[in-house]
Amino acid sequence: KAGVTQTPRYLIKTRGQQVTLSCSPISGHRSVSWYQQTPGQGLQFLFEYFSETQRNKGNFPGRFSGRQFSNSRSEMNVSTLELGDSALYLCASGPLDDTQYFGPGTRLTVL
Amino acid sequence: AQSVAQPEDQVNVAEGNPLTVKCTYSVSGNPYLFWYVQYPNRGLQFLLKYITGDNLVKGSYGFEAEFNKSQTSFHLKKPSALVSDSALYFCAVRDGTNDYKLSFGAGTTVTVRA
Repeated sequence: KAGVTQTPRYLIKTRGQQVTLSCSPISGHRSVSWYQQTPGQGLQFLFEYFSETQRNKGNFPGRFSGRQFSNSRSEMNVSTLELGDSALYLCASGPLDDTQYFGPGTRLTVL
Repeated sequence: AQSVAQPEDQVNVAEGNPLTVKCTYSVSGNPYLFWYVQYPNRGLQFLLKYITGDNLVKGSYGFEAEFNKSQTSFHLKKPSALVSDSALYFCAVRDGTNDYKLSFGAGTTVTVRA
């Protein structure tokens, strides 16, 4: 099976802009989660979706949002970008209540 | 609330020697425990997990981990380390009773010298 794919792999934006990141899960996986990885804060949970429903959300401001489509593909959006949003954004997919498999990530740089 | 502690930022071992990466956890429900490895500029790669059953779990690339409920630990081990094992290792926990998010430790950088 193909692994989790994320697009784009690299992104450069300026403060105040918005960005949309995309994640295609492993075929058959209906759970998709998003994580932010930074050197200072480590890996932090953003949100998790299953069958188009957000089941859990981390402690991030409302500028961070996401959604899941009927084919399990997911997008996350960050509006009004800040310098501190520069990070590696990781998407993970998995079967219900089992191991999460991670994609290669999207490296976002905010200038 | 759930949390993971990886007490060592770095572990250095010689090739061929045993490798241990320590992890302790805190969770209110049933612990689902995972180890992942990350190579530079890459995502996380799954190594092994404990959900239920035998306390000794075997995973990919010769790694294993032992679940110890009384000590709330889940240390990662490899009997004979390789230079190619040099990477960043993360321990993660999920509350299997009522949660869907993974909480990660800060990570341990493993360096295996030839």
